[in-house]
Amino acid sequence: DAKTTQPPSMDCAEGRAANLPCNHSTISGNEYVYWYRQIHSQGPQYIIHGLKNNETNEMASLIITEDRKSSTLILPHATLRDTAVYYCIVTSGANNLFFGTGTRLTVIP
Amino acid sequence: GAGVSQSPRYKVAKRGQDVALRCDPISGHVSLFWYQQALGQGPEFLTYFQNEAQLDKSGLPSDRFFAERPEGSVSTLKIQRTQQEDSAVYLCASSNPRAGVTNTGELFFGEGSRLTVL
Repeated sequence: DAKTTQPPSMDCAEGRAANLPCNHSTISGNEYVYWYRQIHSQGPQYIIHGLKNNETNEMASLIITEDRKSSTLILPHATLRDTAVYYCIVTSGANNLFFGTGTRLTVIP
Repeated sequence: GAGVSQSPRYKVAKRGQDVALRCDPISGHVSLFWYQQALGQGPEFLTYFQNEAQLDKSGLPSDRFFAERPEGSVSTLKIQRTQQEDSAVYLCASSNPRAGVTNTGELFFGEGSRLTVL
């Protein structure tokens, strides 16, 4: 599976949109982009995934560039409970997800 | 319960002791995964089951680590002769791949078992 690059940390003001970037320049055609988050002392939580089209669900939106080499996870109105480590994962199958170290998002009151 | 359940939540072991960590996946979920998460790091894959078959154990760090899922539901991760470097949170996840869906990266994780080896 292709590897990803994420900034180690980001801050976001409460109520504003949080935009978390991810680079995956070596992604191949059959690989999906997955996002998980991990709140302190909890297990990772699935957020969203996509192949090439933008996706939206009740938690977030996923914007994938046309060349698929990067993506952005958008939390439209960040709350304090969104403070977590966010992992961007590229995979063609679920057997062996590579999480990396993710981006630590801190939502500031 | 509705989610993945792991026990114990916390385990302290003396170096050299054997430990067993239990995972109850979501009822009906075919796939089960174990991950290890060291402090400050992301989760790292250990092993994967589909029903009772262990299809991938490439992430197990040594032959002291053993996992089983004899009836295709509950799974146990056993660590023999624990060492200090085994201290970590052990996460279990399950999923239920849908027929016709080739990409099944949506895993449901438990809260983990935190192992501290003294």
